[in-house]
Amino acid sequence: EVQLVESGGGLGQPGGSLRLSCAASGFTFSSHWMSWVRQAPGKGLEWVANIKEDGSEKYYVDSLKGRFTISRDNAKNSLYLQMNSLRAEDTAVYYCARETAATITDFDYWGQGTLVTVSS
Amino acid sequence: QAGLTQPPSVSKGLRQTATLTCTGNNNNVGNQGAAWLQQHQGHPPKLLSYRNNNRPSGISERLSASRSGNTASLTITGLQPEDEADYYCSAWDSSLRGWVFGGGTKLTVL
Repeated sequence: EVQLVESGGGLGQPGGSLRLSCAASGFTFSSHWMSWVRQAPGKGLEWVANIKEDGSEKYYVDSLKGRFTISRDNAKNSLYLQMNSLRAEDTAVYYCARETAATITDFDYWGQGTLVTVSS
Repeated sequence: QAGLTQPPSVSKGLRQTATLTCTGNNNNVGNQGAAWLQQHQGHPPKLLSYRNNNRPSGISERLSASRSGNTASLTITGLQPEDEADYYCSAWDSSLRGWVFGGGTKLTVL
């Protein structure tokens, strides 16, 4: 059974940092692109970043470039999101999502999400 | 990052048919289609349809997806109470080099 379990959320200070983790199991982690997607309270989904199977390619939403960094450790079956210079508008549930191992990918599995609240 | 356009809400009666739409451009929906996701309150999204319009295993045959040009559609027949949820479309944008989502459609089953 595919499982994605996020952790690391909580209260962050404006200007501060948080590191989110996503533990994957039930599939060959190193064979899939992985993404972070966030959802602000009462709002829609916003893609944050994704990373290639071997970590050699990374893409980010324009508005977050330079503040957030996606990474992965295939030996640990884990995905990460380093969030720096936090702002109130970063408050959201952050989901880890698997992209299908196909030429045309889709988000086929999602974690339960971890809530990040940025406030002083 | 420009997103895809979905109507904010759709309301239909029990056992009726609802068609949800998602409009993008030649770089996203018009290029490789759009996937559809369902989200119930307090839960993560769930994939209903791949960008090639096929359904994942376990998804009801009452759901069907299609595309015409830059607009993708999701049709749900025989509406049931459990179909009441938020529906999102997603697509890879080859120009932006990133994923884009629609703003979501809240489907109400009356």
